[in-house]
Amino acid sequence: NAGVTQTPKFRVLKTGQSMTLLCAQDMNHEYMYWYRQDPGMGLRLIHYSVGEGTTAKGEVPDGYNVSRLKKQNFLLGLESAAPSQTSVYFCASNEDSDTGELFFGEGSRLTVL
Amino acid sequence: GQNIDQPTEMTATEGAIVQINCTYQTSGFNGLFWYQQHAGEAPTFLSYNVLDGLEEKGRFSSFLSRSKGYSYLLLKELQMKDSASYLCAPMDSNYQLIWGAGTKLIIKP
Repeated sequence: NAGVTQTPKFRVLKTGQSMTLLCAQDMNHEYMYWYRQDPGMGLRLIHYSVGEGTTAKGEVPDGYNVSRLKKQNFLLGLESAAPSQTSVYFCASNEDSDTGELFFGEGSRLTVL
Repeated sequence: GQNIDQPTEMTATEGAIVQINCTYQTSGFNGLFWYQQHAGEAPTFLSYNVLDGLEEKGRFSSFLSRSKGYSYLLLKELQMKDSASYLCAPMDSNYQLIWGAGTKLIIKP
């Protein structure tokens, strides 16, 4: 049981390049989330999904797009990377958005030069 | 606005007890989570409180006072492996988690 898996774990991009982060979960969870974590700040929600085929904006959605074509996968895209998007990105999932604990992936460290 | 306040860093001795406080202001309230995050790793769930009072789980306990907008995490019999950041995260009226910046706990022998 792998839980939540993120790929890639590390990536260096140049300003203006695009990339996609993949999150896969094998727990059959309905809810999936993308967060970013920056030094001295709490986790900030980028986008989330309450089920296959649905997505919604979180606290800091600008510059990112997402898709949930399959229940187990949640993709985070950066169309034109900017240095301000240098961060550690975490994917998470849970079964119950009200009280269910979040299960996190290992994180993806992205550097934009 | 929504705000979470917890100490940036704390130091404690192996075998001792430490209390990490968290005060919060949120738009509505639907419970509060505590997560542990070791350096370079993902957060992992520790506790969830929705009613006032103390919830005990082994060496870790979590307390909530909704009227005061206050919670604490109590760690007993500290071990070196408890060195980590502890994240306080209340849930607002839209069931969205509002994350604090975390308290880095340093355990000394």
